[in-house]
Amino acid sequence: EVQLVESGGGLVQPGRSLRLSCTASGFTFGDYAMSWVRQAPGKGLEWVGFIRSKAYGGTTEYAASVKGRFTISRDDSKSFAYLQMNSLKTEDTAVYFCTRVITQWLPPRSYFDSWGQGTLVTVSS
Amino acid sequence: SYELTQPPSVSVSPGQTARITCSGDALPKKFAYWYQQKSGQAPVLVIYEDSKRPSGIPERFSGSSSGTMATLTISGPQVEDEADYYCYSTDSSGIHWVFGGGTKLTVL
Repeated sequence: EVQLVESGGGLVQPGRSLRLSCTASGFTFGDYAMSWVRQAPGKGLEWVGFIRSKAYGGTTEYAASVKGRFTISRDDSKSFAYLQMNSLKTEDTAVYFCTRVITQWLPPRSYFDSWGQGTLVTVSS
Repeated sequence: SYELTQPPSVSVSPGQTARITCSGDALPKKFAYWYQQKSGQAPVLVIYEDSKRPSGIPERFSGSSSGTMATLTISGPQVEDEADYYCYSTDSSGIHWVFGGGTKLTVL
């Protein structure tokens, strides 16, 4: 059974940093791209970014709203994905979900097939 | 930036058919996916690649796509189907991933 568990959320002041972790189990972590999706209180889902598997370079892509401030990384030896959040703003307040990404080709397509329960990040002074 | 547009809400009686639409310029070339999110829970994939149903999803859930619009259909919705539904797809480059604004389904 695929399991994703996020941790590291909490209350942080504007302008500060926070790192979220996602521990994965039940599948070969290194074979999959991983992504973060967030949901502000009472709002819809917003894709944050993703990291490709090492087989595809381990490179990253980000939403415009977080590009330059957030960084996604991975440690395949430990089955962990991370979201480093810098220069946090009040509008970054949200539940952050870790997701496993299914990537297929011909034609190229990617989607989220498994989600963690999320961790709440509150940015407030 | 790329956007997917959904109606904010849809209401339906249990014996009717609920249809939730999602419009986006890249949908003629990109697949649509649908997620169900019940209050306080993580989203669950209910339709992938426009019309395929994951194992464990009831047959009353179906999907279709034509031109710039994808549609999630729930035939004979149950009270337990009350939830927020989000479409998801990518822009034409495949690099930017986008969710629709979500549709709240009410089963009266």
